[in-house]
Amino acid sequence: RKEVEQDPGPFNVPEGATVAFNCTYSNSASQSFFWYRQDCRKEPKLLMSVYSSGNEDGRFTAQLNRASQYISLLIRDSKLSDSATYLCVVRETDSWGKLQFGAGTQVVVTP
Amino acid sequence: EAEVAQSPRYKITEKSQAVAFWCDPISGHATLYWYRQILGQGPELLVQFQDESVVDDSQLPKDRFSAERLKGVDSTLKIQPAELGDSAMYLCASSYQTGGPTGANVLTFGAGSRLTVL
Repeated sequence: RKEVEQDPGPFNVPEGATVAFNCTYSNSASQSFFWYRQDCRKEPKLLMSVYSSGNEDGRFTAQLNRASQYISLLIRDSKLSDSATYLCVVRETDSWGKLQFGAGTQVVVTP
Repeated sequence: EAEVAQSPRYKITEKSQAVAFWCDPISGHATLYWYRQILGQGPELLVQFQDESVVDDSQLPKDRFSAERLKGVDSTLKIQPAELGDSAMYLCASSYQTGGPTGANVLTFGAGSRLTVL
C-alpha cells in the first residue's frame, strides 16, 4: 500500500464551480500535511499547509481528518488558472521529517 | 523572489553514459533535496542533505547514483551508467528550516532537469 494515495482524476470542473478531492495517508503518527500545486512540466509549488483545525486561503480550503487519516482540498469559484495537478504531501515522523508525495490529482477547469 | 537554480534544464543521453545535474539552493537554506519524478507520479526523494551531510539516501540507487554537497552549498547528482528507466525529471529543492521532527519543511523547488535516456 502506498503511504500517500490520491485519486489521479482528472476532475473536469466548469469555471465557477466547486471541486473537492481527498488524499489518504497510512502513517497515523504523521504530523504535518501540505498541498502543493504542479503545472504541466513545471516544478511543484507550495499551495498551502494543512492545519488540524482546517484552514482557508482565499478560494482554497484544506481540512484534516485524523480519525480517518485523510486530508482534503476544496476549490471554490474555480478559475481556468486553477487547472493543475495537486500534490498531497505528508511529513513523516523520522528524525529528518521526510516528505512523502502523493501522485497527484489532476484538475481541469473548463470554460 | 529567491530561486533554486538547476542545470541543465534538458539532457538527452544514451544508456550506459554518465550524466550529472547541478543545483544551487536558495542562499542560507541548510537543507537540500534531490527528487526524481517519473511522468504521472509524484516526486520521490533520492537524497536529503543537511549542510554537507547526507541524512537520508535510503531510496538512492547507490550502484549507479551518487550525490555530493561538498561545501554545504551547491550540490551535484550523478548517474553512471544511465539506464532507460532513469528517464525522468530530477528536481532539486531547498528548505530554510532543518528537517527535524518539528521543522516546517517548506520546500522551494528548482525548475528541474529533464533527463531522456535513449
